[in-house]
Amino acid sequence: GAGVSQSPRYKVAKRGQDVALRCDPISGHVSLFWYQQALGQGPEFLTYFQNEAQLDKSGLPSDRFFAERPEGSVSTLKIQRTQQEDSAVYLCASSLATGGGAGKLFFGSGTQLSVL
Amino acid sequence: AQRVTQPEKLLSVFKGAPVELKCNYSYSGSPELFWYVQYSRQRLQLLLRHISRESIKGFTADLNKGETSFHLKKPFAQEEDSAMYYCALRGGATNKLIFGTGTLLAVQP
Repeated sequence: GAGVSQSPRYKVAKRGQDVALRCDPISGHVSLFWYQQALGQGPEFLTYFQNEAQLDKSGLPSDRFFAERPEGSVSTLKIQRTQQEDSAVYLCASSLATGGGAGKLFFGSGTQLSVL
Repeated sequence: AQRVTQPEKLLSVFKGAPVELKCNYSYSGSPELFWYVQYSRQRLQLLLRHISRESIKGFTADLNKGETSFHLKKPFAQEEDSAMYYCALRGGATNKLIFGTGTLLAVQP
């Protein structure tokens, strides 16, 4: 595709609902990252995949957050029992390389999650 | 701990004036530093990285390990430079980038 695609673009959830956010990375990109960006803040790292392996999930704020990338391509970030503090823009990024080349990330447009 | 500090939330300059966006980092080893930019209604995108030692759109940034800084500079600002700028750090074996809180650059006509 032309770039990293994320859906939905906007999501409004009632507190306590489960949500699933989708990321379609650039074809062939090995590395995939999820970031959370609260209003007025920089992107905060959530988790990292290399192909289908989740190599780093140190940024996931609680066990309500779960991410998967079962076939090494599309990834889903799931948030269970959403809370108001989960309201943020969730960014997905992919990178062709690992190691030294992994710093060049291609970002999606993000999913803006609002929890009421 | 790895940390990136951008002390200015907003930097407002006039067209043609020099620009310096400050970035300081905390990391004990040898870091990789990046500047990402987000123009209005566009995606976050890479502007430049220190290992390339390149100039993109007239911007340059030099890694100063003594001062742990990676300031972004441009001698003559243009209105189209108005955007949100984020400094980012990648350190060690991890592939994740640590971002600063960003600086909004507003270039006035």
